[in-house]
Amino acid sequence: DAGITQSPRHKVTETGTPVTLRCHQTENHRYMYWYRQDPGHGLRLIHYSYGVKDTDKGEVSDGYSVSRSKTEDFLLTLESATSSQTSVYFCAISEPSGLGAGTQYFGPGTRLLVL
Amino acid sequence: GEDVEQSLFLSVREGDSSVINCTYTDSSSTYLYWYKQEPGAGLQLLTYIFSNMDMKQDQRLTVLLNKKDKHLSLRIADTQTGDSAIYFCAESIRAGTALIFGKGTTLSVSS
Repeated sequence: DAGITQSPRHKVTETGTPVTLRCHQTENHRYMYWYRQDPGHGLRLIHYSYGVKDTDKGEVSDGYSVSRSKTEDFLLTLESATSSQTSVYFCAISEPSGLGAGTQYFGPGTRLLVL
Repeated sequence: GEDVEQSLFLSVREGDSSVINCTYTDSSSTYLYWYKQEPGAGLQLLTYIFSNMDMKQDQRLTVLLNKKDKHLSLRIADTQTGDSAIYFCAESIRAGTALIFGKGTTLSVSS
């Protein structure tokens, strides 16, 4: 498995509170992504990063922000959590060049419940 | 727009072959992937194929790509109970761009 960890693995929070999820990689891959997985929707991209301090929005970015101050860490923040953000969040990494360029490898996921 | 369609369920008996199908709409898709997800786990990359290929084989897995019909299939030979999982098809236009996922096919293998 690619060296990707996510923390926390499980979290229960209340509506209106801020939440930060962390993704850490040891592969030195340039690109990092945050997806959410919901029943009936598959996985959808929230935000991604193509380098330190370089980020862009995905399909479902409203209510989320991200930061990447180091190659190895990509943080996802829910500024004010809502029940609609209850989901499983996956981090992924990829290297856009070389053999298998662009292939994304996924972390173990974070289960978030917003009450 | 981009869309990836998969059938939701497939049930097979142990030892049979499984074929999971996927259709995509973006003709500019360059990379096509198959991922496996076991309960409570992340997505495990099974295999991928580039749009300039028609077939790729990797042990028990065979991927077929029909670019004309925008159809991708994953064949698992000699299916085992450990193959029971959700299988996702995904596409991307170029390296580094977001993956567009299907909703996943749940494969159930009975002994």
